[in-house]
Amino acid sequence: NAGVTQTPKFQVLKTGQSMTLQCAQDMNHEYMSWYRQDPGMGLRLIHYSVGAGITDQGEVPNGYNVSRSTTEDFPLRLLSAAPSQTSVYFCASSYKRGGRETQYFGPGTRLLVL
Amino acid sequence: AQSVAQPEDQVNVAEGNPLTVKCTYSVSGNPYLFWYVQYPNRGLQFLLKYITGDNLVKGSYGFEAEFNKSQTSFHLKKPSALVSDSALYFCAVSSSNDYKLSFGAGTTVTVRA
Repeated sequence: NAGVTQTPKFQVLKTGQSMTLQCAQDMNHEYMSWYRQDPGMGLRLIHYSVGAGITDQGEVPNGYNVSRSTTEDFPLRLLSAAPSQTSVYFCASSYKRGGRETQYFGPGTRLLVL
Repeated sequence: AQSVAQPEDQVNVAEGNPLTVKCTYSVSGNPYLFWYVQYPNRGLQFLLKYITGDNLVKGSYGFEAEFNKSQTSFHLKKPSALVSDSALYFCAVSSSNDYKLSFGAGTTVTVRA
C-alpha cells in the first residue's frame, strides 16, 4: 500500500490564483480530512469527509472547497489564494469516522502565496 | 469545545537521559488521546493512543504515555532518549462526544549527544 499520497510537494502561487491540492489513499478508508500546519498553532482542521459524497467544514474552512466523489480521492481547492494561506497542508485518513480511530497522514504540501 | 495544551515549546535532554513531553487536555465525554511525531519535512507518524483500559500505554520506538484522569494529563515518556528522537511531538484529543481530532501546538524535542 502506498498509504496517503499528496501532490504537489511544494507550490508557489500568486495572490488571487487558484489551485487544487491532491490527496489519495489506497486503504479503503471512509474518513478523510485536511489540516493546515502553522508554526506554534499545531494542526487545524479545514474540511473533512465521512464518505464519498459527504463533506463538512472543520475549524478553518474559509477560502477552501472540497469534494469527495470517490472513496480514494479528497482534493482541496483554493479558490483565490491569499498570503494568509501560506502553510503546510496535510491530508489524513482513517478506517472510519470515530474518535478512537488512528489517522494516517500524507507527507504534506508546502504552499507559499506571494 | 475540546482542546489540548502542550506547555513546553521545547524540551532539551542529553542522550541516555529520560525524556518527558507534557500534555493536558479538556473534553466533554470520554477522552481519546494520541501522540504523533513529525520528523523534519515529513508527515505525522502515529506513536500511541489511549482509548480505554490500562492507564499506561506503550507505543512505537520505546515511547510510553500515562493517562491521568484526575489531572487531565497524558504525558509522553521515554526512559532513555536517543539523538534520533529529536523531532516535533504533537498531542491530540478526540472524545466520545466529538470524533474530530484537536491538536496541541507541538513540542520540539532536541536530544544532544
